[in-house]
Amino acid sequence: AQRVTQPEKLLSVFKGAPVELKCNYSYSGSPELFWYVQYSRQRLQLLLRHISRESIKGFTADLNKGETSFHLKKPFAQEEDSAMYYCALTANSQGGSEKLVFGKGTKLTVNP
Amino acid sequence: GAGVSQSPRYKVAKRGQDVALRCDPISGHVSLFWYQQALGQGPEFLTYFQNEAQLDKSGLPSDRFFAERPEGSVSTLKIQRTQQEDSAVYLCASSLWTGYTFGSGTRLTVV
Repeated sequence: AQRVTQPEKLLSVFKGAPVELKCNYSYSGSPELFWYVQYSRQRLQLLLRHISRESIKGFTADLNKGETSFHLKKPFAQEEDSAMYYCALTANSQGGSEKLVFGKGTKLTVNP
Repeated sequence: GAGVSQSPRYKVAKRGQDVALRCDPISGHVSLFWYQQALGQGPEFLTYFQNEAQLDKSGLPSDRFFAERPEGSVSTLKIQRTQQEDSAVYLCASSLWTGYTFGSGTRLTVV
């Protein structure tokens, strides 16, 4: 069964400190991994996807197939990074849809 | 429209009442998904449409849940005889090929 685990419900850091949001997954095939972010009173939006290997707003994430992890990292956190972060993977399902399987989310608070 | 639009933004229903939630996807988007997000949880897949065809409804929690997209554009998620455990945010997302755009969701509270 496909599963995404985000072990930290809450994470609090100070501005300028490094931040790492953990994500582990279980999936029998070759998953595609994503990080989604939801800022206060805004809709869920894509932050980054592992296949593009890009850095968005200073965040990066590396897929580690050996450890089945896709941790999100940023070297210097900013107050505007405070948000809810969801790790997700796509799972092929009936009808060829690529539904997303989400973790429960980590609420990041960056303190001044 | 510029984004995925959902209405109403908030809905309070008495237990046993039927509700209908609307999703207006981005024009031309072939794929449409519905997700349910309970408090403190991540979104969970409910159902998927490709144009007007409902190709996957494996996530619908019971036969009280019904979704349609008759003309391959606007979609409606209907919940019959609502129960307290149906209280959640219902998210709609649309996609052309890859990459979702989510709506703001409808927060349903069953009292």
